[in-house]
Amino acid sequence: GENVEQHPSTLSVQEGDSAVIKCTYSDSASNYFPWYKQELGKRPQLIIDIRSNVGEKKDQRIAVTLNKTAKHFSLHITETQPEDSAVYFCAASTIILTGGGNKLTFGTGTQLKVEL
Amino acid sequence: GAVVSQHPSWVICKSGTSVKIECRSLDFQATTMFWYRQFPKQSLMLMATSNEGSKATYEQGVEKDKFLINHASLTLSTLTVTSAHPEDSSFYICSAPSLAKNIQYFGAGTRLSVL
Repeated sequence: GENVEQHPSTLSVQEGDSAVIKCTYSDSASNYFPWYKQELGKRPQLIIDIRSNVGEKKDQRIAVTLNKTAKHFSLHITETQPEDSAVYFCAASTIILTGGGNKLTFGTGTQLKVEL
Repeated sequence: GAVVSQHPSWVICKSGTSVKIECRSLDFQATTMFWYRQFPKQSLMLMATSNEGSKATYEQGVEKDKFLINHASLTLSTLTVTSAHPEDSSFYICSAPSLAKNIQYFGAGTRLSVL
């Protein structure tokens, strides 16, 4: 099955700096890569996703890059703010367009702390 | 608003009792739903895939007789933790994929504490 590794496990940055979180996956059939932000005791919130037919996607301060050949993808947060502090999870799955849904395999998570 | 509703949000029970958790898709139909378990400071681990009208598919190491899943309709899946023990204390989260949007929506989670 799919295996997703995520680094670093913790990341501290100064407010206004950039943060980068990296993930690798093992299953070449995976074609959907979402990133989730989870605050303590809350549900994971989708912040951005990318599909395998695209190499990069950006949404305001958040961007994700995908290298299918190397099987890795990264989350980039620019101009970090204290409210960005949370745990971030990457995930990988194979989109099934008909019938069932997409089974997600999650990375181990990154605790991001944005310091004033 | 939330498109996947999960109840209860928090439950405390005595060891040996059973607890039922409900997961509902509110404005779309879900033939498949997923149940995850998350221990403190750890990632979400898939427990099982709930399939409407058929048996659930369990991940390796998850006891199907202990974690009963019923997907009775296109909008409701339930997870019953039978004969709960303290080691079952965890955060249980369901999700449902919207095929129209190709996005997976998560419930708010259920924090289970077994005394």
